[in-house]
Amino acid sequence: DTAVSQTPKYLVTQMGNDKSIKCEQNLGHDTMYWYKQDSKKFLKIMFSYNNKELIINETVPNRFSPKSPDKAHLNLHINSLELGDSAVYFCASSQGVSLAKNIQYFGAGTRLSVL
Amino acid sequence: GENVEQHPSTLSVQEGDSAVIKCTYSDSASNYFPWYKQELGKRPQLIIDIRSNVGEKKDQRIAVTLNKTAKHFSLHITETQPEDSAVYFCAPLQGAQKLVFGQGTRLTINP
Repeated sequence: DTAVSQTPKYLVTQMGNDKSIKCEQNLGHDTMYWYKQDSKKFLKIMFSYNNKELIINETVPNRFSPKSPDKAHLNLHINSLELGDSAVYFCASSQGVSLAKNIQYFGAGTRLSVL
Repeated sequence: GENVEQHPSTLSVQEGDSAVIKCTYSDSASNYFPWYKQELGKRPQLIIDIRSNVGEKKDQRIAVTLNKTAKHFSLHITETQPEDSAVYFCAPLQGAQKLVFGQGTRLTINP
């Protein structure tokens, strides 16, 4: 049984489209994250939510909008997709916000290809 | 913000030999230093971590050493095996909530 699950696993779409990626965790964790890993494997935090509240918002275009309907879910909506958005997006979760005390668990990733 | 650099970016070793990957960071307030392993097409997974009150930690064939004065920490893998082939990331903690990932080291174990 998957602890942090993302859907879809693959997403191929045209430039200009709007798409969403969903993430759910069944670990009872309070904190969830979105990371972007580009083609050179750079892995960067985008957003973090704790108990449905935004706590980290990196320099990300506002075409990206995270939404957390409850603490077990953190979805990522992307408007007006661009070629540079092509990447693997990883969701992650941890029990609490302090990562020195709480291990972060990653989902399997969503590979987004914008054509 | 935290500047993180890993060296080398690629590393190729013979099976059975040791591998060492070094990570330097800039934030002297960092107090938590994990290493993640990412196999091809898979998710990053924590393999070992160390906190700033400890200089070395070992878990079977892997170990992490920390030099807080010099602001670097290293991953050591002994008796390497083919399944150790992966990309390894250091990710020192900035503040309490943000891991800053290095650019990754691609480790290849040659049989």
